[in-house]
Amino acid sequence: KQEVTQIPAALSVPEGENLVLNCSFTDSAIYNLQWFRQDPGKGLTSLLLIQSSQREQTSGRLNASLDKSSGRSTLYIAASQPGDSATYLCAVRLPAGSGYSTLTFGKGTMLLVSP
Amino acid sequence: EAEVAQSPRYKITEKSQAVAFWCDPISGHATLYWYRQILGQGPELLVQFQDESVVDDSQLPKDRFSAERLKGVDSTLKIQPAELGDSAMYLCASSLRNSGNTIYFGEGSWLTVV
Repeated sequence: KQEVTQIPAALSVPEGENLVLNCSFTDSAIYNLQWFRQDPGKGLTSLLLIQSSQREQTSGRLNASLDKSSGRSTLYIAASQPGDSATYLCAVRLPAGSGYSTLTFGKGTMLLVSP
Repeated sequence: EAEVAQSPRYKITEKSQAVAFWCDPISGHATLYWYRQILGQGPELLVQFQDESVVDDSQLPKDRFSAERLKGVDSTLKIQPAELGDSAMYLCASSLRNSGNTIYFGEGSWLTVV
């Protein structure tokens, strides 16, 4: 059974710092990996999707990398801002023999960026 | 930008009562998911539809939970009877047919069972 672990569980940084969130998964035969952001009491917002054949994806100040062989992904946030404060969730999708598969999530990293 | 619509946003119900949640996915998305998220945890899949067919309900507590997507568009998730342990956020999500596509989530429905 696929297990996804996110470290750290919580992180507090001052505004302007660059930071890295970590995600590891036990089954390296993934189809893709997706990073989400979740604000308190809200749904999930997709940030980046990395296919298994890709090494990284970038969107604005966000950069996600994928090392499938070691079962790891990182989300790099450059020049953090208070508006980045949220919980960041990593989710992996396995290939499905029947053609259908879904996401397995980590518990998330709660990020607080202070002004 | 198209969104996944969910209602109600908040629901308080007494245990043993019935409760229902509704979801309207992004237009054209064939795949629809219902997830449950307990506070402090990641979402866990309850049921997945491809068009109107259930393709994965292995984690759905079928003695009390049911889900349908009759016309392959919007969907309803029902709990009857509700139990205290069902208090959680219920998230609906959708994606295009191919598994390689991004999954988009709605704002969720908060359920409190008292």
